[in-house]
Amino acid sequence: EIVLTQSPGTLSLSPGERATLSCRASQSVNSIYLAWYQQKPGQAPRLLIYAASSRVTGTPDRFTGSGSGTDFTLTISRLEPEDFAVYYCQHYGSSRWTFGLGTKVEIK
Amino acid sequence: EVQLVESGGGLVKPGGSLRLSCAGSGFTFTNYPMNWVRQAPGKGLEWVSSISSSSGDIYYADSVKGRFTISRDNSKNSLYLQMNSLRAEDTAVYYCARARHRGSCFDFWGQGALVTVSS
Repeated sequence: EIVLTQSPGTLSLSPGERATLSCRASQSVNSIYLAWYQQKPGQAPRLLIYAASSRVTGTPDRFTGSGSGTDFTLTISRLEPEDFAVYYCQHYGSSRWTFGLGTKVEIK
Repeated sequence: EVQLVESGGGLVKPGGSLRLSCAGSGFTFTNYPMNWVRQAPGKGLEWVSSISSSSGDIYYADSVKGRFTISRDNSKNSLYLQMNSLRAEDTAVYYCARARHRGSCFDFWGQGALVTVSS
C-alpha cells in the first residue's frame, strides 16, 4: 500500500508569498496517478491538479504541480487571500485511492 | 452544472446501521465511476469505497470491508452506501465524489453528510 507523506504540516505565510508544498510517496508512483485538492473550512474538497501537473479547468495558473517518482510538489506562486486552505495530495490506481494527511496553509 | 447531493446522515448507536444516498444531476450519471470519501472531525480525507459505472467493479478500504456496501441505481442517478455494524470511529462527514474516469481522481464532490456514531 502506498503511503503519502505531506510536509510541512502547516505553512504560515503572508499574501503575495510563494508556497511550496511537498508530497512524498512511500514507493515510486506513476505521475499520471497523482492529484492535488484544496479544502476550505466547511467545504468539500476541490480538485486542483491531476496527473501531477495538469490543472483542472478553473484552477488559476499560480498553482503549479510538478514531480515524479516519489517526490511531488504543489507550488502557489503568489498567495491570494482565497488560497489559505488545506491541501491534500492523492494517489489513485485501479483499486485503491490514498490521501496524504494534508498541509494547512495559514495566514502569518 | 454538475451537482451531487448526499442525504441520510444522522446519529446512530454503535452496532447500528445507516444508509447514505447521493443524487447526481447535471451529467450523464451512468457514464462515471462513483466514490465515497469520509473525513472524521478535524482529520484528513479517507477513501471509503468505489463503484464502476456498470457496478461491475467495487472496491472498499480495509477499514470498512465486510461492513459497508456500495451500490448505485443508474436509472435514478443515485449512489448509495449501506453502513452496518457502525463503530465510533466511523463518525465522519461522508462525501460522494465523481471520478473523472475509471481509476481516476475525483473531479466533483457533494457537500457531505454527517454520520455520528455514539451511544
